[in-house]
Amino acid sequence: AQKVTQAQTEISVVEKEDVTLDCVYETRDTTYYLFWYKQPPSGELVFLIRRNSFDEQNEISGRYSWNFQKSTSSFNFTITASQVVDSAVYFCALSASSSGGSYIPTFGRGTSLIVHP
Amino acid sequence: KAGVTQTPRYLIKTRGQQVTLSCSPISGHRSVSWYQQTPGQGLQFLFEYFSETQRNKGNFPGRFSGRQFSNSRSEMNVSTLELGDSALYLCASSLEFGGQANEKLFFGSGTQLSVL
Repeated sequence: AQKVTQAQTEISVVEKEDVTLDCVYETRDTTYYLFWYKQPPSGELVFLIRRNSFDEQNEISGRYSWNFQKSTSSFNFTITASQVVDSAVYFCALSASSSGGSYIPTFGRGTSLIVHP
Repeated sequence: KAGVTQTPRYLIKTRGQQVTLSCSPISGHRSVSWYQQTPGQGLQFLFEYFSETQRNKGNFPGRFSGRQFSNSRSEMNVSTLELGDSALYLCASSLEFGGQANEKLFFGSGTQLSVL
């Protein structure tokens, strides 16, 4: 069975602070994909990043960076110099084939990030 | 390219009624999946359609059903509504989804259903 845990329900920061959103996953598969999605108040989830299980390189995209560590089954997301527009709910998701060949993603419960001006 | 379009944006129904939600995927996307989002349960997978066939189904009662048309547009139906069905229903489209683990999903803004 697959499981994604986002232990932080809500994080509140002041603009320009750095913030890290944690994601811990469980799967028996050796091949899997991890994702982060952002859900702004408008409702639609927006894809941010995809990482496969064989690529442990960290990635940086502007103020966003992701740290993937297979040894701890974690895929954490850091926002540097946060801005009010970063306020949203962030979801971590895992997609693997352990459910009989169907790649249905499992989502974490989400972390609500509130950035105060 | 237009995004995923869901209609209506808001719905208010009473217990026992039925409701139909609509989703138009991104042009060229053949897979449409549906999710229920609630504060208590988070995002839960309902079902996925690909080429007019239900390919995957989540753990929801038979009151939840769906279909996909030849143009890939999809509808989901909930019959005999219960208070607990109040939720944001999200539709997502992708090229392959259930056939590929690395598929990224493109979501609509959802339909907020309130059951009174």
